[in-house]
Amino acid sequence: EAAVTQSPRNKVAVTGGKVTLSCNQTNNHNNMYWYRQDTGHGLRLIHYSYGAGSTEKGDIPDGYKASRPSQENFSLILELATPSQTSVYFCASGEGGNQDTQYFGPGTRLLVL
Amino acid sequence: GDSVTQTEGPVTLSEGTSLTVNCSYETKQYPTLFWYVQYPGEGPQLLFKVPKANEKGSNRGFEATYNKEATSFHLQKASVQESDSAVYYCALSPYMGYKLTFGTGTSLLVDP
Repeated sequence: EAAVTQSPRNKVAVTGGKVTLSCNQTNNHNNMYWYRQDTGHGLRLIHYSYGAGSTEKGDIPDGYKASRPSQENFSLILELATPSQTSVYFCASGEGGNQDTQYFGPGTRLLVL
Repeated sequence: GDSVTQTEGPVTLSEGTSLTVNCSYETKQYPTLFWYVQYPGEGPQLLFKVPKANEKGSNRGFEATYNKEATSFHLQKASVQESDSAVYYCALSPYMGYKLTFGTGTSLLVDP
């Protein structure tokens, strides 16, 4: 009954290919977030969303697009994948507000060859 | 912009010893401070959060005090267990905001 799920859990892609990472949440939270996790950098925000139909740029949006077609789903899209995008990607959801707790999914490990 | 600096890892301790993970932050706004923990193969999960200066947060034997004057939020535990082996992230969320800024994480390995 995990509240935030991600698919796929592992992905191997080729340079220049298109990659879509999917996230689903059953928390009924308005806000959703995409992060990448790299050694030495911790977690960095790529894109986020306030609700269905909205997407906002985070701190490192270059090379990534996002889509929020519904309250439950939030996708991260790499139109032209590059090896520098090899990383672990986490999706999270939250109610919003400065005391907001974010609930994370289990992560997607992406390798771009 | 906002930033969080924390103890570089990995930190290796023996079971029963004490832990301190230093965390300092910079922000122009009045933040809420968080500690998240990430166990192997999982996403980060909230350990605890503190929205007000001079207050203490705690959970599972871990604690930290929001020190506004020193801009610090150090994580402490008196006696660690093998099950505490994980990566610990300090983070902040600015007042009237909800974007989290994370530190680089501190990996803790506790030997039995």
